[in-house]
Amino acid sequence: GAVVSQHPSWVICKSGTSVKIECRSLDFQATTMFWYRQFPKQSLMLMATSNEGSKATYEQGVEKDKFLINHASLTLSTLTVTSAHPEDSSFYICSARDIGRGNTGELFFGEGSRLTVL
Amino acid sequence: AQSVTQLDSQVPVFEEAPVELRCNYSSSVSVYLFWYVQYPNQGLQLLLKYLSGSTLVKGINGFEAEFNKSQTSFHLRKPSVHISDTAEYFCAVSENQAGTALIFGKGTTLSVSS
Repeated sequence: GAVVSQHPSWVICKSGTSVKIECRSLDFQATTMFWYRQFPKQSLMLMATSNEGSKATYEQGVEKDKFLINHASLTLSTLTVTSAHPEDSSFYICSARDIGRGNTGELFFGEGSRLTVL
Repeated sequence: AQSVTQLDSQVPVFEEAPVELRCNYSSSVSVYLFWYVQYPNQGLQLLLKYLSGSTLVKGINGFEAEFNKSQTSFHLRKPSVHISDTAEYFCAVSENQAGTALIFGKGTTLSVSS
């Protein structure tokens, strides 16, 4: 149980285009999902907290107009990288907490999506 | 706000040797503590977690960690490592309340050689 799926796993796009990454909780409902970004050989940096039915909360320094987050349902959050540039190339990982398990603090992570912008 | 410091960026060990990956945290509130493992180009897998109770926590793959409140540490240990343990290990902390994200340390690369 508590499986989180991300799609696509890999995406290559041209500079200036937009890319959408989907994050789904397959067997539980998630009112809150978290989006992280990971540069090569570095840690996970929290980008934003995605809240079902309301606006996402972005961390300081994260451009909300560039990284659009939509949490349309209790099982789906999307991250759209708008007008992507090579510096947006990174590994993006989503995560969610299964509140049905109580407040354990544990997050379940998707497999990650590697974005390469040419 | 919380923060996590992983004291070693890289730890090379030989197969069947013991290993300790160090983690210190800071927080003004009660926290939950976690260790995750990441294999190349994959997401994160939970190794173990400390929520409350016994300070010695046992996880998967033979790993264990000990919560030390006075030293604000949560070091990860394994008595005998395998080649397959080669991976990136992340220590993480979250506030003891629902809806909060995990804050990660910078990670420790464990390299096990024969």
